[in-house]
Amino acid sequence: DTGVSQNPRHKITKRGQNVTFRCDPISEHNRLYWYRQTLGQGPEFLTYFQNEAQLEKSRLLSDRFSAERPKGSFSTLEIQRTEQGDSAMYLCASSFLQGIGYGYTFGSGTRLTVV
Amino acid sequence: AQTVTQSQPEMSVQEAETVTLSCTYDTSESDYYLFWYKQPPSRQMILVIRQEAYKQQNATENRFSVNFQKAAKSFSLKISDSQLGDAAMYFCAYRRIQGGSEKLVFGKGTKLTVNP
Repeated sequence: DTGVSQNPRHKITKRGQNVTFRCDPISEHNRLYWYRQTLGQGPEFLTYFQNEAQLEKSRLLSDRFSAERPKGSFSTLEIQRTEQGDSAMYLCASSFLQGIGYGYTFGSGTRLTVV
Repeated sequence: AQTVTQSQPEMSVQEAETVTLSCTYDTSESDYYLFWYKQPPSRQMILVIRQEAYKQQNATENRFSVNFQKAAKSFSLKISDSQLGDAAMYFCAYRRIQGGSEKLVFGKGTKLTVNP
């Protein structure tokens, strides 16, 4: 296990298309988080899972966004009908429930460009 | 809502010198965590140092230390003996401990350049 893995690393899509990103967390971690980072900004929270349950969603997560974590393992983030404003780095992170104070382990992110 | 402010968009330091990055935050909570994360270009974000608000002692991790001023809601990061590999974006982040949102709230970051 080498950490949090995200695929693809880069995605270029045309406006209006659907895209799906995948995150594989550290296997022992039961919490998984999605963040979005635009140029010149810090990461902004989108949603998080504890095991397979999605426990919190940001208002940034519009109806076009959906996230799943079947069986409490990997997670997918889907964006439907992409818009140019969706262009950003999408970061996944994971942590132990009991180790929250120790911060997250982040993946390298998926950079989305909508043209 | 909690907010985190990093007032220095960019900083530079000479190799082997010391630099301090500033962070202030706003919260009504009495107990929380504070973090500094480092994000090198095109690489993943990694945790540099953490501080629990109820601990008065400032955290240190090798060349990295913090100056935590709870009353002033200030959490600065000091990097001693700066190295070329320290060049990165540095983000300050806040997380509450009990109840409510589980999210980390990040500042906008400070870009640190290390000059040889």
